[in-house]
Formats: sequence, structure tokens, C-alpha cells
Amino acid sequence: DSGVTQTPKHLITATGQRVTLRCSPRSGDLSVYWYQQSLDQGLQFLIQYYNGEERAKGNILERFSAQQFPDLHSELNLSSLELGDSALYFCASSVEGGPNYGYTFGSGTRLTVV
Amino acid sequence: TQLLEQSPQFLSIQEGENLTVYCNSSSVFSSLQWYRQEPGEGPVLLVTVVTGGEVKKLKRLTFQFGDARKDSSLHITAAQTGDTGLYLCAGAGYNNAGNMLTFGGGTRLMVKP
Repeated sequence: DSGVTQTPKHLITATGQRVTLRCSPRSGDLSVYWYQQSLDQGLQFLIQYYNGEERAKGNILERFSAQQFPDLHSELNLSSLELGDSALYFCASSVEGGPNYGYTFGSGTRLTVV
Repeated sequence: TQLLEQSPQFLSIQEGENLTVYCNSSSVFSSLQWYRQEPGEGPVLLVTVVTGGEVKKLKRLTFQFGDARKDSSLHITAAQTGDTGLYLCAGAGYNNAGNMLTFGGGTRLMVKP
């Protein structure tokens, strides 16, 4: 157990639907990062939050949004889902706002859009 | 745009063999990290190298950061079946998104008994 908790572990939904992925960071970590992993694209950075505020944004689609709550857990919202959104979605956390000391990843949410 | 290229993409070897995985970029990174990912799990941090030329050893794994901090290698001695997995390098530094980790495409290692 890495200390980063992601729910749900698996999600199957239809095109056009909206889903919410949840992440609880490791105790004491202030930063939360969301990544998308697909077979052909590898690990792609989506967005980072640090202590409740958006810190950095990667190649996140406009249909996707995220937030970090006062208790530091984060949610990634995916809407108007398309078949191509099927992927593994990982949350990672770190104690500081930068990457130099590495990230702790959760076990991921496998999203299947049918 | 920072890009990290890993080679080889796939590697299948017999238990007991040695192997080296490479991670190359044209960009300079403030640190370079190696992760190992098993099916159904998230990547797990193996090591962080910070200083150009730095060498770190973790049991049978040896990690090296290039002098110019643009490349790195992972050498595994006497591979075991438990080493099977996806090895990812990740460079820390500024890109379009900010001070981030950029991941390589990964090397999928299979160690056969």
C-alpha cells in the first residue's frame, strides 16, 4: 500500500456520460498530480494541485476538470466521455510542490468507455 | 518540449542475464528518477539521481546519471523473474506545464525462468 488511495479501481461507462475519480494523497503530502496512461501514449500529465490551488496544467482536455479540497483529497471529473478516453488514470502525491524528490502513485482507476 | 526516449522498448531475457536500459533526452534535467510498474499497479519510485555523473546502487540495480544531466541508464545484474515489469524513467525540470516530471515511454522487461 503506497498510501495514495484511488477509487474506484474499475469503472465502465457509456459514451457521453460523466464520471468522477477520487484520490486521497499520502498523509502529509500537499501536492496531487493526475496522469493518464494509455498503451500508445504512455504516462501523460494532466494537472497538479498544491494545497488546494491549481499549480500546473498539462494536456488536459476541456471536458476534464479537477479540484483539490481542504482535506487535500482530489477529484478528477471527466465529462462527455468518448471511446478514446478509455485509459488508466493515476493520481500521485508528493510532499512539496516540485518533482525532485519523486512521486508516490496510487493503484489507478481503469476507465472503460463503451 | 522535453522528451525522454527509452531503449529498448521491449526486452526478454533469461534469468541470470545482465541488462541495461537507456533513457536519453536533449534536455537538461534537475533530477532523473526511475520507476517500476507492475500490471494493475501504479509506478513505484526506485531511485532519484541528482548530480551529473552520479551512480547509485540498489542491490542488483545500478543507476547512472549522465555528466550533462541529459541521460541515464539502469543496469540490472543477474536478473530474476521478480524483476519483470515496466521500467520508466522520468526527468524533473521545467516544461510548458511548469516544474514537472516528464516520463519516458518505458521499457517492458520480461525475465524468463
